[in-house]
Amino acid sequence: EPEVTQTPSHQVTQMGQEVILRCVPISNHLYFYWYRQILGQKVEFLVSFYNNEISEKSEIFDDQFSVERPDGSNFTLKIRSTKLEDSAMYFCASSEGDRNSPLHFGNGTRLTVT
Amino acid sequence: AQTVTQSQPEMSVQEAETVTLSCTYDTSESDYYLFWYKQPPSRQMILVIRQEAYKQQNATENRFSVNFQKAAKSFSLKISDSQLGDAAMYFCAYDNNDMRFGAGTRLTVKP
Repeated sequence: EPEVTQTPSHQVTQMGQEVILRCVPISNHLYFYWYRQILGQKVEFLVSFYNNEISEKSEIFDDQFSVERPDGSNFTLKIRSTKLEDSAMYFCASSEGDRNSPLHFGNGTRLTVT
Repeated sequence: AQTVTQSQPEMSVQEAETVTLSCTYDTSESDYYLFWYKQPPSRQMILVIRQEAYKQQNATENRFSVNFQKAAKSFSLKISDSQLGDAAMYFCAYDNNDMRFGAGTRLTVKP
């Protein structure tokens, strides 16, 4: 069964550095999402992306964050000038359609900012 | 690897009735957390209820309660007095420093 894959599974970076988290959504999916889970806390929506532009974003998704679909397969989340509080699990998800289509999650990237 | 299985892609309930959404998981760990999240069409994730595996008492949150069977690795969600606003996608999730989601169950509430 097709899967959403995320790389790396664990990334460690120093405060102030930029990181790029990578996701390969399921190939025929058109809608892409990023979620975040700070350790021990609930999962939070960050952003949705469709047709090469952001559809929705949460308050968390400020200027420090950006998303891109640089080619036909990858969907990336860039975090500029990382802060300690950016340490979290970041989940990518994709769906074939909007709203009523099943959402498929990747296994997440654990980001640790030191 | 931990896996989470939601065997019901879709469920339907009459308004004011009770519905149970199923979730099973596979783990060799003894201490972990289980969650039910509600996802409306906006794709936000709303935490419905959380259960700590070392607690035998089933978690409840107003009309939402769980039936946690640790030995059976089962974690079902019961929604009582269903309301139209309960209609959404529901995800079961397992977390032991490595969160895993089920495939989701779409709940429809009929007036």
